[in-house]
Amino acid sequence: GAVVSQHPSWVICKSGTSVKIECRSLDFQATTMFWYRQFPKQSLMLMATSNEGSKATYEQGVEKDKFLINHASLTLSTLTVTSAHPEDSSFYICSAPWGTKNIQYFGAGTRLSVL
Amino acid sequence: AQKITQTQPGMFVQEKEAVTLDCTYDTSDPSYGLFWYKQPSSGEMIFLIYQGSYDQQNATEGRYSLNFQKARKSANLVISASQLGDSAMYFCAMREGLHGSGNTGKLIFGQGTTLQVKP
Repeated sequence: GAVVSQHPSWVICKSGTSVKIECRSLDFQATTMFWYRQFPKQSLMLMATSNEGSKATYEQGVEKDKFLINHASLTLSTLTVTSAHPEDSSFYICSAPWGTKNIQYFGAGTRLSVL
Repeated sequence: AQKITQTQPGMFVQEKEAVTLDCTYDTSDPSYGLFWYKQPSSGEMIFLIYQGSYDQQNATEGRYSLNFQKARKSANLVISASQLGDSAMYFCAMREGLHGSGNTGKLIFGQGTTLQVKP
C-alpha cells in the first residue's frame, strides 16, 4: 500500500502559540488529502479536505481561521493550529487516497498537547 | 442520522479463534465503498479491507474477510485465527461514491470496536 508520512508525531506547546503539522505522500501524488481529529476512545472526525492549488473545504463547525490548511504541492499538505488553547489538545491525523479504488492511507498521527 | 453504526464497543476473543465485528450503514447512494481500519494503541490507522457496493463477491485479505450483506446494509469484518497482535480498535467506514476523488472521497467512520485477544 501507499505510505503517508506525518510529522511531528508528538508536540507540546504553550497556549497562544501556533503549531504546524505536515502530511506527505511518499512516492505518489495526492491532489486531495484529508485531515481528521480524534479524541481519546472516540472515532475520527473529518475536519477538512485539503485540495492542491485551491482552498480547503472545511466541515461544518470547524473554524477556518483556527485550523489553517495549505496544500502547496502534490505531496505536501500542512495543518496549522493557530493560537492554540488547551481545548485544541487532541490527536490529529491525515490521509491521502491512492490507487484505482482511492483507498485512504493514513499518516501516523500527531498528538498535540497545549499547556 | 448515524450513517455508520458499530454496536459493539468492546469485544473479547480467545487466541486462535475467529471473531466477527459488526457494522451497519445507511446510504441512499447506490455507489459506495466500505472500509475497515485497525488502530493499535500507537494511533496509526491501518487499512485492512475494502468492499465496493457493486462487488459480487465478499472481499478477503489474508485472515480478514468482509461479510457483505447489501440488502441488510451490513458489512461485518471477520478475523480468523485471532492473534495477540490483533488487539486494537477497529473502525468501519463508508465513502459515498464508488471511486471517490477530490472532495467526494471523504470517509464517514463508525464509533469503533475495541477488540481484545486473550491468550
